[in-house]
Amino acid sequence: DVKVTQSSRYLVKRTGEKVFLECVQDMDHENMFWYRQDPGLGLRLIYFSYDVKMKEKGDIPEGYSVSREKKERFSLILESASTNQTSMYLCATDQGAVETQYFGPGTRLLVL
Amino acid sequence: AQKITQTQPGMFVQEKEAVTLDCTYDTSDQSYGLFWYKQPSSGEMIFLIYQGSYDEQNATEGRYSLNFQKARKSANLVISASQLGDSAMYFCAMREVKNTGNQFYFGTGTSLTVIP
Repeated sequence: DVKVTQSSRYLVKRTGEKVFLECVQDMDHENMFWYRQDPGLGLRLIYFSYDVKMKEKGDIPEGYSVSREKKERFSLILESASTNQTSMYLCATDQGAVETQYFGPGTRLLVL
Repeated sequence: AQKITQTQPGMFVQEKEAVTLDCTYDTSDQSYGLFWYKQPSSGEMIFLIYQGSYDEQNATEGRYSLNFQKARKSANLVISASQLGDSAMYFCAMREVKNTGNQFYFGTGTSLTVIP
């Protein structure tokens, strides 16, 4: 079974703090994704990566950056957290054109 | 334009009845994939069913079936014999294959409540 883990289930941060969200997968998948999920808006793609050190902007990259130094690890960075970044963050991985995406358990981030 | 449209923010169904959750999609690609996911209140996304654009038969997985109407660009999820545990958010998604890899597009979701 594919396992995707995220560093925290719940996180509370202050405005202006630098926030790191980590995602680790154990199936050697090439593609990794970060989404944020907000009520009524569904999942929106922030960034994705199709190889080590490669990254592509998704639909809402502003205020975020990512890092993929190793194939199994994809980090989402909030350089200076703001209250409008309070959300649920989901990491996902996939490999190939037919497979589904496999999701981590999500991180609920609250920025005060 | 929205890539995936789910027009039902909330649905109710009586236990043991069937329910259809609507999904329409927008793409100019010939090759694409359609997915449905379930998200219980715990937050994890659970893959339910997949339909490829070239698949002629509707996909089925246990009590889930996907009613694929390519000309209408619709991919509705049918849940038969609803159970209380089916109460959750349901998301329709589409995969397009890009030069830089696959990209998924998700709908806004439908909240399903199963009534005893």
